Amino acid sequence: EAQVTQNPRYLITVTGKKLTVTCSQNMNHEYMSWYRQDPGLGLRQIYYSMNVEVTDKGDVPEGYKVSRKEKRNFPLILESPSPNQTSLYFCASSKSRGPYNEQFFGPGTRLTVL
Amino acid sequence: AQTVTQSQPEMSVQEAETVTLSCTYDTSESDYYLFWYKQPPSRQMILVIRQEAYKQQNATENRFSVNFQKAAKSFSLKISDSQLGDAAMYFCAYRSTYSGAGSYQLTFGKGTKLSVIP
Repeated sequence: EAQVTQNPRYLITVTGKKLTVTCSQNMNHEYMSWYRQDPGLGLRQIYYSMNVEVTDKGDVPEGYKVSRKEKRNFPLILESPSPNQTSLYFCASSKSRGPYNEQFFGPGTRLTVL
Repeated sequence: AQTVTQSQPEMSVQEAETVTLSCTYDTSESDYYLFWYKQPPSRQMILVIRQEAYKQQNATENRFSVNFQKAAKSFSLKISDSQLGDAAMYFCAYRSTYSGAGSYQLTFGKGTKLSVIP
């Protein structure tokens, strides 16, 4: 089944404790991105990647890192999480960066930083 | 930068009736794509319908259709014969065809929560 998977689905952590949220897609997609969703703000892009070893900042990149060493994986790294990073996170992928391509979303990761 | 505005935070509709969700956007570009996404309580983001700006014809997908008014920068979603399973948060989104920095990112509105009354 074609899908985007994220792990973990739920995470409660404490301020300053480094964490990684994994994202993997099995569709051989070139384009991947991370969004965060906050009440009343919709979804906002954190980082995106157009292909292996090619990443760039979205609208809200502060406090996050990403890497794209393999085509299928695009982990989101929080080196020193803070409470304002408590949010719902979505990974998404599409066949290429072309705007007509549908973005497929993962199931979301609910992160709480205490 | 583009902005997407959904002016209705919440709406409700009787089952089997029709409802229209509003979306306006601001852009200086002439070519772009517009999308409606549905987010049910499961939180999964599901693409409902998409519209290419250079196409005059309004997109339709079964009970879902859009009213795309390019000059007015308006992109409303009409749901006909509403069903209980349509209850969800609906997001309007804009995607540029610009290939520079931030290329092809989706810009989302804040969402409209739709309730369906049995």
